[in-house]
Amino acid sequence: GESVGLHLPTLSVQEGDNSIINCAYSNSASDYFIWYKQESGKGPQFIIDIRSNMDKRQGQRVTVLLNKTVKHLSLQIAATQPGDSAVYFCAENTGRRALTFGSGTRLQVQP
Amino acid sequence: DADVTQTPRNRITKTGKRIMLECSQTKGHDRMYWYRQDPGLGLRLIYYSFDVKDINKGEISDGYSVSRQAQAKFSLSLESAIPNQTALYFCATSPTGDGTDTQYFGPGTRLTVL
Repeated sequence: GESVGLHLPTLSVQEGDNSIINCAYSNSASDYFIWYKQESGKGPQFIIDIRSNMDKRQGQRVTVLLNKTVKHLSLQIAATQPGDSAVYFCAENTGRRALTFGSGTRLQVQP
Repeated sequence: DADVTQTPRNRITKTGKRIMLECSQTKGHDRMYWYRQDPGLGLRLIYYSFDVKDINKGEISDGYSVSRQAQAKFSLSLESAIPNQTALYFCATSPTGDGTDTQYFGPGTRLTVL
């Protein structure tokens, strides 16, 4: 079936390093993707999005890359900070009028 | 996001009880959603509504019902709660017609069914 998944359930990085969180999707018809950050005890928070007609989009310290050939999405966080520690979800618009979320990757930033 | 509020934030109840979770938003968005999150898992869609007269089932609607009382209010009911409905419940909203489906989430309601 159609699904959005993540390669790594937990990612541990040193403060100041760059982080890369990956996501695989299976629906080639998806045309919109979002990355969310969820801190403990809070709701998911929008980070960055990308449409399928783009390969790359940059925000403040974050970059999303989309590879439609292999159906792969990644979130890059530059100069990772302790405040970046959270669970990160990718989500896709499958055209069924609602987003489908992946299971999440926990990012742990070591001081 | 303070623009999307959920009540209660925490609730403990017993098997068989009827429970209502409420969601209100001041963002002026037409679209509202209810999700469930279980430990270590992503969000699963329960119900969604694209306007006051529109209600749609998500992937896990069994055992739940919803009511869209107004553009700003979307409530989720568990008619007869069971222990496997213990989870974190999130409400979300999104605007219509902006070409994307970016959703804005409330703080969540932690529900425990004993």
